[in-house]
Amino acid sequence: DAGVIQSPRHEVTEMGQEVTLRCKPISGHDYLFWYRQTMMRGLELLIYFNNNVPIDDSGMPEDRFSAKMPNASFSTLKIQPSEPRDSAVYFCASRKGTRGNQPQHFGDGTRLSIL
Amino acid sequence: AQSVTQPDIHITVSEGASLELRCNYSYGATPYLFWYVQSPGQGLQLLLKYFSGDTLVQGIKGFEAEFKRSQSSFNLRKPSVHWSDAAEYFCAVGAIGADGLTFGKGTHLIIQP
Repeated sequence: DAGVIQSPRHEVTEMGQEVTLRCKPISGHDYLFWYRQTMMRGLELLIYFNNNVPIDDSGMPEDRFSAKMPNASFSTLKIQPSEPRDSAVYFCASRKGTRGNQPQHFGDGTRLSIL
Repeated sequence: AQSVTQPDIHITVSEGASLELRCNYSYGATPYLFWYVQSPGQGLQLLLKYFSGDTLVQGIKGFEAEFKRSQSSFNLRKPSVHWSDAAEYFCAVGAIGADGLTFGKGTHLIIQP
């Protein structure tokens, strides 16, 4: 089975530009999570969806960040305008079922560098 | 809110030696506990999980972990490490009624030949 697929794997762009990260969850999974990983703060949950509906976006750092899930097989995380402090690795994860003891399956991440 | 502490930022172990990575959590009830491994440039891969029952859980790649409620710990062990085990290891906790996971800062494992 295909795992969680993220694109692009690497993104380098200049400050002020719009950045869009993409994620395709595992088929049949009804939860989707976006995380950010930095050296200073580790892995932080940004937002998650259940059945395409955003449930908790309290981890989204600023209004510059937005996420959507238009259907069960696709989600985007957008940063507009981007800033150097947004540089990090962004992970998408998906999970099947409502029980919190079910594991999350992670994609390989998008390494974002804002110059 | 729950929290996770991984006290060791780096650990160096000789190939063939035993390994124990520490994880302490803070949560008012019985948590859901996970260990993930991250190889360079890769995402996180689940090693094992605990949510109830036998406090010693077996995972992939020869890893095991033991849940100790009295110590609020969930330490990861392997009897004999291989060079391919060099990676970043993350402990994570999930709470009843919550969907997100809280991760520790990770432990970087270095294997000496």
